Amino acid sequence: GAVVSQHPSRVICKSGTSVKIECRSLDFQATTMFWYRQFPKQSLMLMATSNEGSKATYEQGVEKDKFLINHASLTLSTLTVTSAHPEDSSFYICSARIEGLGGEQYFGPGTRLTVT
Amino acid sequence: GIQVEQSPPDLILQEGANSTLRCNFSDSVNNLQWFHQNPWGQLINLFYIPSGTKQNGRLSATTVATERYSLLYISSSQTTDSGVYFCAVEPRALTFGSGTRLQVQP
Repeated sequence: GAVVSQHPSRVICKSGTSVKIECRSLDFQATTMFWYRQFPKQSLMLMATSNEGSKATYEQGVEKDKFLINHASLTLSTLTVTSAHPEDSSFYICSARIEGLGGEQYFGPGTRLTVT
Repeated sequence: GIQVEQSPPDLILQEGANSTLRCNFSDSVNNLQWFHQNPWGQLINLFYIPSGTKQNGRLSATTVATERYSLLYISSSQTTDSGVYFCAVEPRALTFGSGTRLQVQP
């Protein structure tokens, strides 16, 4: 099956610093990648959609200047949380889709971010 | 946006029991997927099922797209089935339901 990796799996940073999370599709090229956020005991909320070589589309209420997304290739997308604050602490999960709209999505293992 | 409702929100079963989880959605969709989130947070793909019926071992799923619902059946449940089950639908990007938290007791 299709495999998506994320790095790091866990990160602790100080308030005011920036953190970069990588998402890679290991055995397929992803036309589209997605970033989700999950707070404890809650569901996943879509943050943004990115296509290779173009600007990400952010969901309403997600600050694009705070959550920078770069989709540099068909196998790599990065999420940078800039000037992190404790309220940004969450579980961040990426996913990738092989085909176009309606195609099956595969999820990475997630990154647990703690901002102190 | 599209609404996705899952029921029941919580379910406790004895090992060996069967269960049915339901997912209702409010609009037509291009994709519907069922996931199991394990205790470490990993989402495991169970079914990609925008319509029809599929089976995989003790699990099966049915989606009736015209009536906007999907069902996930778990038979002969095991303790390893415990976790959260999510239904997610895609008009343009996957929108998740609130999940069903399943606990299977030995």
